[in-house]
Amino acid sequence: TQLLEQSPQFLSIQEGENLTVYCNSSSVFSSLQWYRQEPGEGPVLLVTVVTGGEVKKLKRLTFQFGDARKDSSLHITAAQPGDTGLYLCAGAGNNDMRFGAGTRLTVKP
Amino acid sequence: NAGVTQTPKFQVLKTGQSMTLQCAQDMNHNSMYWYRQDPGMGLRLIYYSASEGTTDKGEVPNGYNVSRLNKREFSLRLESAAPSQTSVYFCASRTSLGGYGYTFGSGTRLTVV
Repeated sequence: TQLLEQSPQFLSIQEGENLTVYCNSSSVFSSLQWYRQEPGEGPVLLVTVVTGGEVKKLKRLTFQFGDARKDSSLHITAAQPGDTGLYLCAGAGNNDMRFGAGTRLTVKP
Repeated sequence: NAGVTQTPKFQVLKTGQSMTLQCAQDMNHNSMYWYRQDPGMGLRLIYYSASEGTTDKGEVPNGYNVSRLNKREFSLRLESAAPSQTSVYFCASRTSLGGYGYTFGSGTRLTVV
């Protein structure tokens, strides 16, 4: 059983559409991170959220940390083919980060 | 370019063979990590090193050993490879144990036949 459950597992949309992906857990995290991973490469950090209820924006990406610090969402506005990739969330454990299995997003032109 | 460098990028082993995966970072980070990534299971921590001279087990350490050679380098060794160790291996580093944000290498794709 994954400590962090990400949904949906796969998402295929057309360019210009909006989407939201979710990261849920029964555990409380001191911080949560989102990464994007492209084929053949390692994950790249997008954002870190620390405070319950916190919202951060990165261009067309909006990240929200749940009030209870157990869940998070990533919303992409007007998706572009360059947004294609595997989106991973990771929660801070005692000594490391624990990762979800990811949402694989495909944006078709 | 600054970052985390892993070698090799690809490797095929026969069951029972041994090998060492190399990792080096040039960002003066204290903490280094080895993860494996399998389909549908996300990244799972194998071993980590909070600082030079220390190493600790992660979630899935069985069948692996590590060496923190110096502040820059952290290697992962498979003494007797098994098909279950077929995976993509990632090395990562960050500034301190409680610091935010990993920098990952580009991975080693290992197949054990």
